[in-house]
Amino acid sequence: DTEVTQTPKHLVMGMTNKKSLKCEQHMGHRAMYWYKQKAKKPPELMFVYSYEKLSINESVPSRFSPECPNSSLLNLHLHALQPEDSALYLCASSQRDRDSAGYTFGSGTRLTVV
Amino acid sequence: EDKVVQSPLSLVVHEGDTVTLNCSYEVTNFRSLLWYKQEKKAPTFLFMLTSSGIEKKSGRLSSILDKKELSSILNITATQTGDSAIYLCAVGTFNNAGNMLTFGGGTRLMVKP
Repeated sequence: DTEVTQTPKHLVMGMTNKKSLKCEQHMGHRAMYWYKQKAKKPPELMFVYSYEKLSINESVPSRFSPECPNSSLLNLHLHALQPEDSALYLCASSQRDRDSAGYTFGSGTRLTVV
Repeated sequence: EDKVVQSPLSLVVHEGDTVTLNCSYEVTNFRSLLWYKQEKKAPTFLFMLTSSGIEKKSGRLSSILDKKELSSILNITATQTGDSAIYLCAVGTFNNAGNMLTFGGGTRLMVKP
């Protein structure tokens, strides 16, 4: 299995809703990432998990809450989002060791906040 | 702060033309340079370059890395309308947090029939 699987593919949520985005990989990658991509912009890093521990939080608002229950799963819990949070949310994974340089992206979740 | 710059920002060509997209970088602990093609969904991987001067080729697309000049080019020959997309360059680095990826702003390519 050489894929990163993200669910759902599309999500529409109200500003008072609570929802979660899920990401799964079975490549044995020990680093997992959340990126946010707005229209016509490159992906922006949100969070990095390394060996299931949060290692980077790029000053993301607390209405986004990541969780890494095990080495194969990465969740992003959403609560009280704003319309400007509408974007494509991408999950990625990579090997953790210095000698590996590749990344694998999931197909993304397109989120619309109404 | 790691920085990746792509040029041009956008490009309009006609089918059959050859295009060259540029990517330059200033990063710490360089590991790799990656090219992605993005249409309406997630970026699609094209190439990963780690060694300077070695061309990677896939059909009409090719790319080469110049570590001395801290840059890379992506060439597309005999362009087709299906090549219309945003092309993203990203540089992989390694630090205590793991493999990091810094993206350039992308080049928007439009190929007209």
